[in-house]
Amino acid sequence: AQSVTQLDSQVPVFEEAPVELRCNYSSSVSVYLFWYVQYPNQGLQLLLKYLSGSTLVKGINGFEAEFNKSQTSFHLRKPSVHISDTAEYFCAVSDFYNQGGKLIFGQGTELSVKP
Amino acid sequence: NAGVTQTPKFQVLKTGQSMTLQCAQDMNHEYMSWYRQDPGMGLRLIHYSVGAGITDQGEVPNGYNVSRSTTEDFPLRLLSAAPSQTSVYFCASSRNQDQPQHFGDGTRLSIL
Repeated sequence: AQSVTQLDSQVPVFEEAPVELRCNYSSSVSVYLFWYVQYPNQGLQLLLKYLSGSTLVKGINGFEAEFNKSQTSFHLRKPSVHISDTAEYFCAVSDFYNQGGKLIFGQGTELSVKP
Repeated sequence: NAGVTQTPKFQVLKTGQSMTLQCAQDMNHEYMSWYRQDPGMGLRLIHYSVGAGITDQGEVPNGYNVSRSTTEDFPLRLLSAAPSQTSVYFCASSRNQDQPQHFGDGTRLSIL
């Protein structure tokens, strides 16, 4: 069965520093990959998605992620973070051939941006 | 634009009580799903539906029922609430498999 591992449960970082949130998934023939962000007491919002094509995907709020098939990874990056980026980030995977589009989520990474 | 609407936002139940969490979407999406979110465990899929009249189980279906009589609505029923069902519940919808899911704001459920 498909599984997703977010390697860091908490990532503290200073404002304007770069950040990388790591995500690995179990191997599959073909997958769709997503990053969602959750601000306190809110639902999840889509940051970016990879369906096919270019392995470097750009999303909202200056975030980007790179799909690496050989390493089964989809790490999220931002070159310079802001206080407002403080939130929980979830990586999610959907198997291409999986009927119903079931999403499997990672455990989440809490990004804490300090001044 | 309403998007995905969940009601209620908060609920406290006693063990053994039953209740229904409501979810409605106005985007004519075929795919809808229910998740529960617990600390350190991410979101886990409870049940999902690929269209009206079609539902299936996710990772953690025990203790929950769903039905999908219309495209718009996808209620989640707790048959006999247990403290282990204390969680935040999210409903989501999408047009189809390769489209991102739109999430509601969640229902915080506490079972005493």
